[in-house]
Amino acid sequence: DAKTTQPPSMDCAEGRAANLPCNHSTISGNEYVYWYRQIHSQGPQYIIHGLKNNETNEMASLIITEDRKSSTLILPHATLRDTAVYYCIVRVRGGTQGAQKLVFGQGTRLTINP
Amino acid sequence: KAGVTQTPRYLIKTRGQQVTLSCSPISGHRSVSWYQQTPGQGLQFLFEYFSETQRNKGNFPGRFSGRQFSNSRSEMNVSTLELGDSALYLCASSWMADGMNTEAFFGQGTRLTVV
Repeated sequence: DAKTTQPPSMDCAEGRAANLPCNHSTISGNEYVYWYRQIHSQGPQYIIHGLKNNETNEMASLIITEDRKSSTLILPHATLRDTAVYYCIVRVRGGTQGAQKLVFGQGTRLTINP
Repeated sequence: KAGVTQTPRYLIKTRGQQVTLSCSPISGHRSVSWYQQTPGQGLQFLFEYFSETQRNKGNFPGRFSGRQFSNSRSEMNVSTLELGDSALYLCASSWMADGMNTEAFFGQGTRLTVV
C-alpha cells in the first residue's frame, strides 16, 4: 500500500493561509490522494481529493506535484474552527474487483492561533 | 439528506463478551467500509462491503467480522473481546461501485470500551 508522510504538528495564525504538506512517494499511477480532517475524535470529514491535477473547492485547494510524489493542502483563510488533525490519504485498490480502501497515515495536528 | 448513522455511540463491554455495531449509510450508497481508530495504531481499515459482499478485508483477526444487508445497512461484530479492542469504530459509505474517484463519508463512530 502507498504510504503518506506528514509533519506531526503545525501552527498557523488565524486569517492566514495554512499549507499542509504530504509526501506519498510510493503512490501508484491510478491511486488518488484524499484529504480528511478530524475534530475531537468525531468522524473524519472529507475535504478534497485529486489524481494529478490541482483541485479547488469551497473548503481548500490541493496542489499535487507533477511527479505525484507529494502534495499540499491549502486552507486559504484559516479560522479557529479549522483546528483539527488533517489526514493525507491514498485510496488504494485491493480485494475483489472494484474494492478499495483508504490508507491513513498519522496526520498533522493543525492549530490555528488567534 | 441524512448522513452516515452509527449506533450505539458509546458502549462498555467486559472482556470475553461479544459486541455488534451498526451502520446505516447515506441513502443510495451501496459501499460501506469499517475502520478502527486507536491512539497507538491510528485509523486502520477493517473491511469493505458492496451489495452484501465483502470485497476487501484488513489485517485483523477472525474475531472481527461483518455483514451487509440488502438495504446496504451494515453490522460489524467482535467476539471474545480483548482490552486492546477498545477503540473508536468508524463506518464510511460511498455511492459508487468503483470508488477510487468518489469521496467516502464517515459516521460519528462508536466508542467501544472493553473493561
